[in-house]
Amino acid sequence: EAEVAQSPRYKITEKSQAVAFWCDPISGHATLYWYRQILGQGPELLVQFQDESVVDDSQLPKDRFSAERLKGVDSTLKIQPAELGDSAMYLCASRPGQGVYYGYTFGSGTRLTVV
Amino acid sequence: LAKTTQPISMDSYEGQEVNITCSHNNIATNDYITWYQQFPSQGPRFIIQGYKTKVTNEVASLFIPADRKSSTLSLPRVSLSDTAVYYCLVELNAGNMLTFGGGTRLMVKP
Repeated sequence: EAEVAQSPRYKITEKSQAVAFWCDPISGHATLYWYRQILGQGPELLVQFQDESVVDDSQLPKDRFSAERLKGVDSTLKIQPAELGDSAMYLCASRPGQGVYYGYTFGSGTRLTVV
Repeated sequence: LAKTTQPISMDSYEGQEVNITCSHNNIATNDYITWYQQFPSQGPRFIIQGYKTKVTNEVASLFIPADRKSSTLSLPRVSLSDTAVYYCLVELNAGNMLTFGGGTRLMVKP
């Protein structure tokens, strides 16, 4: 079964440092999402890509977060500078197209701890 | 986006049937109901999706009454490995993003 790949699996960084997460969606999936999940809560959307274009980044804290999907395939989410409150699981998901019948596939996430 | 309400937690025992009910009073005509399962340190996994009446797959059943203001996920004969968080979502049939609530933490005991 095809999977969404994410790396690193775990990341510990100091406050004010820069950190980056990588996601490789399922081949051919045009739509890619980044979610953040704080322990004990449901995932919240940060940014949505359709191919290489940002569709929705209204929930992305743009003063410190950035996301790109330059060739419409893999994607990188960056935080600079990291703050203690950024400690969370960062999940990437992809789907082949628009329409509710296209199921989402999530990766296993990157667990970020900011110290 | 339609808001969903589901119990924060539920306990069950191995071999029992578990029913988790979700309320979505302001569901719109084009909305679908989708359930996801999440284990610790993993991403959510699609379980089942439906629009009305009953949907069944190899994992679960989803019951949706005629008014569609609620839905019930039914897990037959649960095992310890079904211990997870279950999320009920209402998804607009336009390919927009998923909006997660707090989910229901199901604990299956031996």
